[in-house]
Amino acid sequence: EIVMTQSPATLSVSPGERATLSCRASQSVSRHLAWYQQKPGQAPRLLIYGASTRATGIPATFSGSGSGTEFTLTISSLQSEDFAVYYCQQYYNWLSFGQGTKLEI
Amino acid sequence: QVQLQESGPGLVKPSQTLSLTCTVSGGSISSGGYYWSWIRQHPGKDLEWIGYIHYSGSTSYNPSLKSRVTISVDTSKNQFSLKLSSVTAADTAVYYCARRFPSIVVWDVWGQGTAVTVSS
Repeated sequence: EIVMTQSPATLSVSPGERATLSCRASQSVSRHLAWYQQKPGQAPRLLIYGASTRATGIPATFSGSGSGTEFTLTISSLQSEDFAVYYCQQYYNWLSFGQGTKLEI
Repeated sequence: QVQLQESGPGLVKPSQTLSLTCTVSGGSISSGGYYWSWIRQHPGKDLEWIGYIHYSGSTSYNPSLKSRVTISVDTSKNQFSLKLSSVTAADTAVYYCARRFPSIVVWDVWGQGTAVTVSS
């Protein structure tokens, strides 16, 4: 099983600043990596797949990068609605999720 | 746009079978080549894929749950369902139904989720 590790567990950032979230795979997943956003009481929302392709309706303030075992989700100029929990998910070998990074003000 | 809605009991007794249904609206469950999935999220927030089904009936299940899981589809009702047998407290979670892309295992449309507690 491929283990996905996200860091940090909690990230404190001020509105208007940039946030950088990391996701590491225990073995290469090529670019088979997705990112989701989850707000309290809501279902996850797909942000990025293929490591860097934004899903339909996702603003350009969200960007993904990386390949192999190291991936990054960058949120430029944070808005209040961006504070949430973010999960990465690999789909290279079966599938597995990271444990999440909470982005807080 | 496609919307998903879960329904089913919020409380299930240990050793019994958990049964949930997902109703698809705004589109046909038989079109687009999508796969229709169940995912759960435990109170500790970990996401766990349960399985998915194609309208043709083709299924794939999480190996860790496979012996207890059945996912079925009813195209006439535009619904798909989950049955999880022999439940224990470890099956307490929020259960989501979701739509999976045809060619890659990511989910672009999710239901709002339904909380299921296993308790006597």
